[in-house]
Amino acid sequence: QKEVEQNSGPLSVPEGAIASLNCTYSDRGSQSFFWYRQYSGKSPELIMSIYSNGDKEDGRFTAQLNKASQYVSLLIRDSQPSDSATYLCAVASIIQGAQKLVFGQGTRLTINP
Amino acid sequence: DVKVTQSSRYLVKRTGEKVFLECVQDMDHENMFWYRQDPGLGLRLIYFSYDVKMKEKGDIPEGYSVSREKKERFSLILESASTNQTSMYLCASSPIPGTRRAQFFGPGTRLTVL
Repeated sequence: QKEVEQNSGPLSVPEGAIASLNCTYSDRGSQSFFWYRQYSGKSPELIMSIYSNGDKEDGRFTAQLNKASQYVSLLIRDSQPSDSATYLCAVASIIQGAQKLVFGQGTRLTINP
Repeated sequence: DVKVTQSSRYLVKRTGEKVFLECVQDMDHENMFWYRQDPGLGLRLIYFSYDVKMKEKGDIPEGYSVSREKKERFSLILESASTNQTSMYLCASSPIPGTRRAQFFGPGTRLTVL
């Protein structure tokens, strides 16, 4: 069973601080990793993708990947109340010969003004 | 931008009814997926399709079927709706298979079965 684990939270962070979201995965063969943001009652929205070890920055968001440790994280700098949402980690795996995304349960993030 | 649309945002049906959920994408993507999302259970894959007329079972296909007659359209069918199928249903699409391909989601259909 390919698994993706996230701390469900809630994670509470003051406005302006750095929010750190973590994800571990079980499939050592995974090559692609994604972070989705989901507001309450809405569908998941892709915010970051990462494929190589190291950091990838996009505006206030930084994704970090460590394949040896099977660990991927998302940092949100200068957190804003509008960042309050559930963040889903997704890992691309080959399951029964087909490529699928395996999603974590999500971490609920609250940014406090 | 990728555009994935779903036929209804909210739907209320009665037990035993046949229910059709439609999904359309405008980016010429080969792959399309149907998920349901429930509190505490996360996203669960129901069915997916890699091409027209093709379909593959996901993790929870029981009680559902799908149809893909055209590349841009992927339909989810509940043959005889039951109350345990009350859920948020999400359609997604992605380009041709490749490990760097993210999925893009539609707005979702919140289905209530009474």
